Amino acid sequence: EDQVTQSPEALRLQEGESSSLNCSYTVSGLRGLFWYRQDPGKGPEFLFTLYSAGEEKEKERLKATLTKKESFLHITAPKPEDSATYLCAVLEIQGAQKLVFGQGTRLTINP
Amino acid sequence: NAGVTQTPKFRILKIGQSMTLQCTQDMNHNYMYWYRQDPGMGLKLIYYSVGAGITDKGEVPNGYNVSRSTTEDFPLRLELAAPSQTSVYFCASKLAGVSSEGYGYTFGSGTRLTVV
Repeated sequence: EDQVTQSPEALRLQEGESSSLNCSYTVSGLRGLFWYRQDPGKGPEFLFTLYSAGEEKEKERLKATLTKKESFLHITAPKPEDSATYLCAVLEIQGAQKLVFGQGTRLTINP
Repeated sequence: NAGVTQTPKFRILKIGQSMTLQCTQDMNHNYMYWYRQDPGMGLKLIYYSVGAGITDKGEVPNGYNVSRSTTEDFPLRLELAAPSQTSVYFCASKLAGVSSEGYGYTFGSGTRLTVV
């Protein structure tokens, strides 16, 4: 059974203080690893998909990287508007293309 | 283009009552999903559908039922509501196969349900 574990559960940073969120996974065959951002009272918003070890993707202050066992979401010089819960998910290899989610990391950026 | 629309946004039910959570998408997506999210937890799959007339159970289906009579609609039915069903419910949809952007799910904004 596919499993996804995110750490830390919560992270508080000062504005401009860079850090990384971790997502470790165990899957029978990785078809894709996803990062989503979720604001309070909203649905998850797609950020990145990574498919193979060594792949990296960037968007503004965010960069996602992937190894064979984990993914990192690096946040460089964050701003208060980056405060949100960040969810990691892996795609199950079976035909219905279901996502298996981690529990999320709640990120707070203080001004 | 509305994307995935969920109604209602909020609802309070008494124990034993029933209700239907509505989900509609206008993107002609084949696949649709219902997830629930409890505080501090990730999303857990309740039911999914790969096309009209086809549904299947996910990880946590007990106490729920679904139907998929059209491509657009995927309602979730709660029979005999229980406090354990207090949660936020998200509907999602996607096209079958792989797009250039990857396996892109589109989520609705959620329904917050409280059972008292």
